[in-house]
Amino acid sequence: DQQVKQNSPSLSVQEGRISILNCDYTNSMFDYFLWYKKYPAEGPTFLISISSIKDKNEDGRFTVFLNKSAKHLSLHIVPSQPGDSAVYFCAAEIQGAQKLVFGQGTRLTINP
Amino acid sequence: EAGVVQSPRYKIIEKKQPVAFWCNPISGHNTLYWYLQNLGQGPELLIRYENEEAVDDSQLPKDRFSAERLKGVDSTLKIQPAELGDSAVYLCASSRSGLITDTQYFGPGTRLTVL
Repeated sequence: DQQVKQNSPSLSVQEGRISILNCDYTNSMFDYFLWYKKYPAEGPTFLISISSIKDKNEDGRFTVFLNKSAKHLSLHIVPSQPGDSAVYFCAAEIQGAQKLVFGQGTRLTINP
Repeated sequence: EAGVVQSPRYKIIEKKQPVAFWCNPISGHNTLYWYLQNLGQGPELLIRYENEEAVDDSQLPKDRFSAERLKGVDSTLKIQPAELGDSAVYLCASSRSGLITDTQYFGPGTRLTVL
């Protein structure tokens, strides 16, 4: 039972353009969402998060959007840079459960 | 600030052999997590410690997996005996507390190959 799904295993974007990574979830109890970024041979690193009381959170080039009615969140990277090439995981958490549930990841490749 | 340290980085063993992974969390972090990451999947929580107490081990296969966190700092995850399906990356993470808003910092992981 995959509660957090990233349906695109890979995404290729030209440098300078917008990258949009998508994530869907099924559990309506999730109330906190995060994006992690992972380079090869390294552990995931926290990128940005959003609480269910918000629909948008922005940090520099990164913006996360949350659509609770659709149970969908997305990560926008503008402009995309070569260093953004990595695997991106979305994760969700239930308040009080203190347990992250991760999606399968999307490999983003930024082409020069 | 030093990050989460894990060793070994890579381990190759034959099936039915025992194996152990070690994790040193970020100094001052009370909460420690062990995750399993299969190829092409996201990390899945195996066990969470608050100081030296295992507060969530519901996903830990207790017939062959064990973990400990003596003195509430370093932690060891053990598999005995290992099976072919245990081949994966084992990630350790730590956070200041188990609060939802406390960032989890991950180590580089141990890649286990069982032959």
